[in-house]
Amino acid sequence: DAKTTQPTSMDCAEGRAANLPCNHSTISGNEYVYWYRQIHSQGPQYIIHGLKNNETNEMASLIITEDRKSSTLILPHATLRDTAVYYCIVRASNNAGNMLTFGGGTRLMVKP
Amino acid sequence: DTAVSQTPKYLVTQMGNDKSIKCEQNLGHDTMYWYKQDSKKFLKIMFSYNNKELIINETVPNRFSPKSPDKAHLNLHINSLELGDSAVYFCASSQPGHDYEQYFGPGTRLTVT
Repeated sequence: DAKTTQPTSMDCAEGRAANLPCNHSTISGNEYVYWYRQIHSQGPQYIIHGLKNNETNEMASLIITEDRKSSTLILPHATLRDTAVYYCIVRASNNAGNMLTFGGGTRLMVKP
Repeated sequence: DTAVSQTPKYLVTQMGNDKSIKCEQNLGHDTMYWYKQDSKKFLKIMFSYNNKELIINETVPNRFSPKSPDKAHLNLHINSLELGDSAVYFCASSQPGHDYEQYFGPGTRLTVT
């Protein structure tokens, strides 16, 4: 699976959009981009995933660049409850065992 | 309703002991997983299991073994516990065709003294 690079930490004001970048310059054609988050003292939570088109769901939007070498997770109106570590994961759809490989993630702090 | 549950939530034990952590999911999923999160917060896959096959992360010592009495349960047995086994262990599950969306349990904090 391709390696990802994310900033260690970011701050965001409550009510503003949080834009979390992820670099995956070695991504292969059959690899998807997944985003999970982990709120303190809880298990990780799936947010969204995509292959090459932009995606949106009730939690967030995922913007993937045309060359697929980077992506951005957007939380349109961040709340204090969005404070968490956000993980960008790249994984092939036919990955044996469907295992996820988590990196260091970005620690997002939403401030009042 | 709890989707993925783990027991116990906390487990403190001495080196050399054998212990088990239980995991149950009521989502009807076919695949279950165990992850380990160490003190530096890195989350690593240990096992992936469904009723057909067990996939083991090659870095996992053979002191760790998953056991599944039925599709809804995947327990983690650890023999001869070592200090380095101290971590938070997460169970997860997913359904066929949606394996990108894994549902995680609340975690079990294991402390080996």
